[in-house]
Amino acid sequence: EAQVTQNPRYLITVTGKKLTVTCSQNMNHEYMSWYRQDPGLGLRQIYYSMNVEVTDKGDVPEGYKVSRKEKRNFPLILESPSPNQTSLYFCASSVDRNILSYEQYFGPGTRLTVT
Amino acid sequence: DQQVKQNSPSLSVQEGRISILNCDYTNSMFDYFLWYKKYPAEGPTFLISISSIKDKNEDGRFTVFLNKSAKHLSLHIVPSQPGDSAVYFCAATTTGGGNKLTFGTGTQLKVEL
Repeated sequence: EAQVTQNPRYLITVTGKKLTVTCSQNMNHEYMSWYRQDPGLGLRQIYYSMNVEVTDKGDVPEGYKVSRKEKRNFPLILESPSPNQTSLYFCASSVDRNILSYEQYFGPGTRLTVT
Repeated sequence: DQQVKQNSPSLSVQEGRISILNCDYTNSMFDYFLWYKKYPAEGPTFLISISSIKDKNEDGRFTVFLNKSAKHLSLHIVPSQPGDSAVYFCAATTTGGGNKLTFGTGTQLKVEL
């Protein structure tokens, strides 16, 4: 089954304790992205990757890191989480833009609470 | 600066009637638009899209209309069903600008029996 998986689905942590949210897709997609969803703000892009070893900042990258060492994986790293990073996080993937497909496939989400 | 706006946070419609969800954008470079549907505890799923070369695209009960001069698009669901109750996000992109999608804030649709 074609899918995007994220782990963990729920996470409660404390300020300053480093954490990683994993994302994996099995569709051989070049493009991957991380979003956060907050009430009244919709989905905002954190980081994206056009292909392996190619990453770039989205609209709200502060406090986050990413890496793309393999095509299928795109982990989101919070080196020192703060309460304002409490949010619902989504990973998404899509084929390369040159194929003229702009549909993105989303993972099920990770609800993060930082106390 | 919110480039894609959904001014109605919620909408309630009776089963069988038409649901109309609206979306406005400010960036004139956007030329491709998508609607996503999101159920609780799930990720958004693609619903329907439209290119700026068209003014209408239809897929079953779902139709998207684009008014480029007004920078406005709308999603019509006819007839509405209880299973359509979800949050609907409008998204926009520029076809020459990579895969980046800019999302609206979402509209919670409730279809009542």
